[in-house]
Amino acid sequence: SYVLTQPPSVSEAPGKTARITCGGNNIGSKSVHWYQQKPGQAPVVVIYYDTDRPSGIPERFSGSNSGNTATLTISRVETGDEADYYCQVWDSSRADVVFGGGTKLTVL
Amino acid sequence: QVQLVQSGAEVQKPGASVRVSCKASGYAFIDYYIHWVRQAPGQGLEWMGWIDSNNGDTNYAQKFQGWVTMTRDTAISTVYLELNRLTSDNTAVYYCARSSTYGSRWIDSWGQGTPVTVSS
Repeated sequence: SYVLTQPPSVSEAPGKTARITCGGNNIGSKSVHWYQQKPGQAPVVVIYYDTDRPSGIPERFSGSNSGNTATLTISRVETGDEADYYCQVWDSSRADVVFGGGTKLTVL
Repeated sequence: QVQLVQSGAEVQKPGASVRVSCKASGYAFIDYYIHWVRQAPGQGLEWMGWIDSNNGDTNYAQKFQGWVTMTRDTAISTVYLELNRLTSDNTAVYYCARSSTYGSRWIDSWGQGTPVTVSS
């Protein structure tokens, strides 16, 4: 089955740029979606189809996808961005949804 | 607005079964998949499977095949997740979530989650 690999944690200072990666075999050929989950809450999509941002998500959130790595970039990080972030793809060979293991973003 | 409202917390003994419901509103129920996603305490999101709300077709992740059943009742726009032969490893929050039936199946709406605790 298709596997997505994320770093367990990323730390960044307020105002800096945080980058969270999602690795997968030729992931650039798939569409990647990103979800933010804060403690005690359901996840919320922040990026879909690699680069699209739902209404209400700040422009500070952006995505890219190429080769074997997709990246969620959060510019000018704020303490309110502290959360777990998950990448997700559709494995069409099995008709399965696949999530990455998640990355905890700490804004110190 | 789109809403997925799940049933309340459950406490069950090992070996028992439980059924969690997810009532949809604010959109055309049959036009979307409903997925179930599990999150064990302190762990990440784990996809369990989907049901096509239109025709009832299902696809379960391999580790959930044989003990999980997803059904739907179109008359009341509700999807159900049944978990059988529960063990303590099944203690988790279970989310229902909506995606389109085509393309890359990104999830645009989530239920609030249903905690299921399995304990003797």
